[in-house]
Amino acid sequence: QVQLQESGPGLVKPSETLSLSCIVSSGSVATDSHYSSWIRQSPGKGLEWIGYISYSGSTNYNPSLRSRVTMSVDKAKNQFSLRLTSVTAADTAVYFCASSVGGTTFDIWGQGIAVTVSS
Amino acid sequence: QSVLTQSPSASGTPGQRVTISCSGSSSNIGSNAVIWYQLLPGTAPKLLIYSSNQRPSGVPDRFSGSKSGTSASLAISGLQSEDEAIYYCSTWDDSLKGVIFGGGTKLTVL
Repeated sequence: QVQLQESGPGLVKPSETLSLSCIVSSGSVATDSHYSSWIRQSPGKGLEWIGYISYSGSTNYNPSLRSRVTMSVDKAKNQFSLRLTSVTAADTAVYFCASSVGGTTFDIWGQGIAVTVSS
Repeated sequence: QSVLTQSPSASGTPGQRVTISCSGSSSNIGSNAVIWYQLLPGTAPKLLIYSSNQRPSGVPDRFSGSKSGTSASLAISGLQSEDEAIYYCSTWDDSLKGVIFGGGTKLTVL
């Protein structure tokens, strides 16, 4: 069973770049049918899809975040990453990485990592 | 405000059957499959239902999903205390061109 684990800083300053990685164990990062995805949950709010990247590197981002988001896959390290630029307090959230079937069904999730944007 | 509408809360007693609803529109639920997730505090979210009514292996058959028109429902029968969690519906939105979630329904087992 594939397992995912998020890693990265828990505190990011406003206007800086949030960078997170998702380490894949007991399996391979993305496949032809699975996409590597990121979802977040802001305090007191629901889930928000950030986007996904396929094994081939094609991406699909949430239109509301597209201008600030970049996702990448490192096949050699078996991990995928998220970069979110120009962060504000509104980006404070628990960030989850997930494996999704066809990009829409998130069948395997990481535990999540709490990120706070504050000076 | 979420594109998919869920009641903020639901409750039931052990053994009861509870239904959680999710309302959308023709550009999302009306034309795409619905997925349901269970979120327990401190744990990774869990896929409960996919393709509107399919259960992944390992999910008890107490959980069932259905879809009709622009609405979907998650039913939990034989309610247990460990079912106390937040449940989210999700689907693809053809207009927004992205994955959307409902606001979540907090289920309390009384």
